[in-house]
Amino acid sequence: DAKTTQPNSMESNEEEPVHLPCNHSTISGTDYIHWYRQLPSQGPEYVIHGLTSNVNNRMASLAIAEDRKSSTLILHRATLRDAAVYYCIHYNNNDMRFGAGTRLTVKP
Amino acid sequence: EPEVTQTPSHQVTQMGQEVILRCVPISNHLYFYWYRQILGQKVEFLVSFYNNEISEKSEIFDDQFSVERPDGSNFTLKIRSTKLEDSAMYFCASRKGRASELNEQFFGPGTRLTVL
Repeated sequence: DAKTTQPNSMESNEEEPVHLPCNHSTISGTDYIHWYRQLPSQGPEYVIHGLTSNVNNRMASLAIAEDRKSSTLILHRATLRDAAVYYCIHYNNNDMRFGAGTRLTVKP
Repeated sequence: EPEVTQTPSHQVTQMGQEVILRCVPISNHLYFYWYRQILGQKVEFLVSFYNNEISEKSEIFDDQFSVERPDGSNFTLKIRSTKLEDSAMYFCASRKGRASELNEQFFGPGTRLTVL
């Protein structure tokens, strides 16, 4: 399995930015970096993905290190609804496998 | 917005019984997946399915498990003789294509399987 390392848990205050880190030192040159999240009692859902350049969408931003061995998911203003387990995954033309992820707690 | 659906939402069965979990992937998707999540643990890959055959399976997916796409819309996971340790949330997922750069994977809401 493609291996990533994420903190087990993080806390944030509502309305503040959150930076969720991920190390993927064994990433290959063709693997994309994907972030998914799992809200309580739901299936995982896509957040964002990228290869080398930083990416923005309506949910989040993804900052990718120049050597691609790490990335950071940025939630610009955390809401209570963003409380979830966030998974960083890298893969290409194979099947997506999950690590343990980071459990994000958002405090009002 | 199109979505993956799963039925039932909760299935209770006796140990040793057969269960079939059903999924309807998004209609123009070609790649289908089953994952499971034991309570409090991570999401585990079980099997991928493309072009009416298994593409890849994990060590969890032993002879007790099988998958089928019986009619072009449903995608099923069968557990032949359930064990207590099969109790988990089972998620179906689908993807339009294989290449990860193009394809978001969509997950269903899950079926909670309880084996007594």
